[in-house]
Amino acid sequence: DVKVTQSSRYLVKRTGEKVFLECVQDMDHENMFWYRQDPGLGLRLIYFSYDVKMKEKGDIPEGYSVSREKKERFSLILESASTNQTSMYLCASSGGRVYEQYFGPGTRLTVT
Amino acid sequence: DQQVKQNSPSLSVQEGRISILNCDYTNSMFDYFLWYKKYPAEGPTFLISISSIKDKNEDGRFTVFLNKSAKHLSLHIVPSQPGDSAVYFCAASGGIGQTGANNLFFGTGTRLTVIP
Repeated sequence: DVKVTQSSRYLVKRTGEKVFLECVQDMDHENMFWYRQDPGLGLRLIYFSYDVKMKEKGDIPEGYSVSREKKERFSLILESASTNQTSMYLCASSGGRVYEQYFGPGTRLTVT
Repeated sequence: DQQVKQNSPSLSVQEGRISILNCDYTNSMFDYFLWYKKYPAEGPTFLISISSIKDKNEDGRFTVFLNKSAKHLSLHIVPSQPGDSAVYFCAASGGIGQTGANNLFFGTGTRLTVIP
């Protein structure tokens, strides 16, 4: 079974803090993704990566950056957290069948 | 602008009956469609998919229908079971090599409740 793990299930941070969300997958997948899920908006793609050290912007990259130094790990960085970044963050990975993405359990981030 | 739309935020069905979840899309470049299922406190899990060259794909109790001319797809669950109660997301992709390659565009989800 594919396993995608995220470093925290719940996180509370203050406005202006730098926030790191970590994601690890154990299936040697090339592709990794970060989404945020908000009520009434579904899942929106923030960034994705199709190889180590490669990254592409998704639909809503503003205020975020990412890092992929190893194949199994994809980090999402909020350089200066703001209250409008309060959301559920979901990491996913996929292999040869690119569209069949496997998701982690999510991190619910609250920025106060 | 939402390219994939699920206009029904919720649906309730009696156990044993058919559940029909609907999804509409606006981008005619989409050529691959998927349904994901999400339980509370878990990430979405892949359920079933369909390529645009087909109009139906079946997997056990789950069938997805695609109507390209109407830009509409639906997920049928027969018979519905209480364990099917979850949020269902429709997703679409533009295909490798086209705009949106590797990107999935998700709908807003439909919460299905199957009543025992």
